[in-house]
Amino acid sequence: AQSVAQPEDQVNVAEGNPLTVKCTYSVSGNPYLFWYVQYPNRGLQFLLKYITGDNLVKGSYGFEAEFNKSQTSFHLKKPSALVSDSALYFCAVRPFSTLGRLYFGRGTQLTVWP
Amino acid sequence: DTGVSQNPRHKITKRGQNVTFRCDPISEHNRLYWYRQTLGQGPEFLTYFQNEAQLEKSRLLSDRFSAERPKGSFSTLEIQRTEQGDSAMYLCASSSGQGANTGELFFGEGSRLTVL
Repeated sequence: AQSVAQPEDQVNVAEGNPLTVKCTYSVSGNPYLFWYVQYPNRGLQFLLKYITGDNLVKGSYGFEAEFNKSQTSFHLKKPSALVSDSALYFCAVRPFSTLGRLYFGRGTQLTVWP
Repeated sequence: DTGVSQNPRHKITKRGQNVTFRCDPISEHNRLYWYRQTLGQGPEFLTYFQNEAQLEKSRLLSDRFSAERPKGSFSTLEIQRTEQGDSAMYLCASSSGQGANTGELFFGEGSRLTVL
């Protein structure tokens, strides 16, 4: 069965500090991996993706994520957090065999305080 | 605004009633998805259309649920004989052919269903 785990319901970090939001996955075959962000009263927004190639991928708003095949992880990172980064972050996986169906984690609420 | 549009944004209904949600995708997108999200959970896949063809359905989509995309443009999701367990946010997303291959979906703001 395909699954995504986000072990932390909440992550709190001070502005200017680095942040990490964790994600691990279980999927058959090679996965496509994604991060989405949800701001209050807004729809989910695509942040970044890993398809193949370099294990470190860069996305919108200065975010990046590192794919680790041996640990089946895809952690989201940012070197210096902003208060405006406070939002709900979802990790998602798309098995290679599916037509586009994504499996989402439960989400991690990121709070950046001034 | 040329994003994904969903209507109504909020629907309150009594148990046993039927409800219908509409999704208007980004105009050039040929792929359309419905997801359901409950409090504290990530979105769960319901169904997927490519043009007017419904290509995949989740087991979550019981026989009380039906989705259509009659002309390959807008889509409707109908829930018959609603139950309290149907209370959730129903999300619609669309993508182009390239986007669907890589999972880059564009989501609407959702339609929240409350069943009393």
